[in-house]
Amino acid sequence: AQSVTQLGSHVSVSEGALVLLRCNYSSSVPPYLFWYVQYPNQGLQLLLKYTTGATLVKGINGFEAEFKKSETSFHLTKPSAHMSDAAEYFCAVSLNSGGSNYKLTFGKGTLLTVNP
Amino acid sequence: EPEVTQTPSHQVTQMGQEVILRCVPISNHLYFYWYRQILGQKVEFLVSFYNNEISEKSEIFDDQFSVERPDGSNFTLKIRSTKLEDSAMYFCASRSRGFPTDTQYFGPGTRLTVL
Repeated sequence: AQSVTQLGSHVSVSEGALVLLRCNYSSSVPPYLFWYVQYPNQGLQLLLKYTTGATLVKGINGFEAEFKKSETSFHLTKPSAHMSDAAEYFCAVSLNSGGSNYKLTFGKGTLLTVNP
Repeated sequence: EPEVTQTPSHQVTQMGQEVILRCVPISNHLYFYWYRQILGQKVEFLVSFYNNEISEKSEIFDDQFSVERPDGSNFTLKIRSTKLEDSAMYFCASRSRGFPTDTQYFGPGTRLTVL
């Protein structure tokens, strides 16, 4: 079975500073990896995903993540935080659990606060 | 841009009552999901639905839960007799096809409070 661990339930950065949100996964087979963001009172929105190919993936709003198989990690970064980045971020892994199901297994989420 | 919608945004009910949470997935999508998030905990998979039947369910999804796609557009989650521990945010999601690269699109959620 797969699992996801997000280190740090709350990360606080200053505006303009580097954002680093950590995600480690456990999977017996190569996983598909996702980062979702949830703004207040909104649904989960896909930021980026890794399926196959290039291990550095770029997403929306200047975010990117790198799949490192040897470290079983998929950390999310952004060079310069903006106030509008304040939200909760969820890392997720997906495996085919049969019949093209591809359910998502989520981490607990990391709340990002951006200080002026 | 197409989106998944959910109603109501907040539902308050008494323990033992039945609730129905409603979702309208994106119109050409074929795979449908319910997830829930108890406050302070992970988003958890409940059930997936394809071709008018459940394709997978978690151990959380016991006989008190049921799903239905009654009219080709709505996708509902029914909890027959709510318990205090059912209080959570419930998310509906849909996906277009059977490829692993297809994105799951989530609705804004329904917050269920059981008193």
